[in-house]
Amino acid sequence: DVKVTQSSRYLVKRTGEKVFLECVQDMDHENMFWYRQDPGLGLRLIYFSYDVKMKEKGDIPEGYSVSREKKERFSLILESASTNQTSMYLCATLPVGQPQHFGDGTRLSIL
Amino acid sequence: GENVEQHPSTLSVQEGDSAVIKCTYSDSASNYFPWYKQELGKRPQLIIDIRSNVGEKKDQRIAVTLNKTAKHFSLHITETQPEDSAVYFCAACYSGNTPLVFGKGTRLSVIA
Repeated sequence: DVKVTQSSRYLVKRTGEKVFLECVQDMDHENMFWYRQDPGLGLRLIYFSYDVKMKEKGDIPEGYSVSREKKERFSLILESASTNQTSMYLCATLPVGQPQHFGDGTRLSIL
Repeated sequence: GENVEQHPSTLSVQEGDSAVIKCTYSDSASNYFPWYKQELGKRPQLIIDIRSNVGEKKDQRIAVTLNKTAKHFSLHITETQPEDSAVYFCAACYSGNTPLVFGKGTRLSVIA
């Protein structure tokens, strides 16, 4: 079974802080994704990566950056957190020829 | 880029009735169409998917149909049960290895 682990289920931070959301997968998959989920807006792609040190912008990359130094770990970074980044963040991995698998999500609150 | 529209946004049905959720997509190159179910507080999980070389796929009470000409696909749940209550997302992409584009979701409530 594919396992996608997000480091925190719930996180509370203050505006202006630098926030790191970590995602680890255990199956050596190349493709990894970060989504943001908001009520009524569905899942929106923030960034994705096809390989180590590679990154591509998704639909809503503003205010975010990512890091992929190792294949198994894909980090989402909020450079200076703002209240409009309060949301559920979902990491996903995509095995070749298989459907996308999601982590449990991190519910981030920015105060 | 791809754009996926999903309707309705909310759906209530009586237990035992059928539920249908519809999605349209814009990019004719898209050829992979999964459906995810997300229960409250849990991750989205794949329930069924279809590729563009078939028009229909069924798995017990769940079926998906695809009309490539009209660029729409639908999820059909028969004999609904309370445990079917969840948010359902459709998605589309090209080849299955590119990022999925999701619809905005349908909140299905099955009333006992």
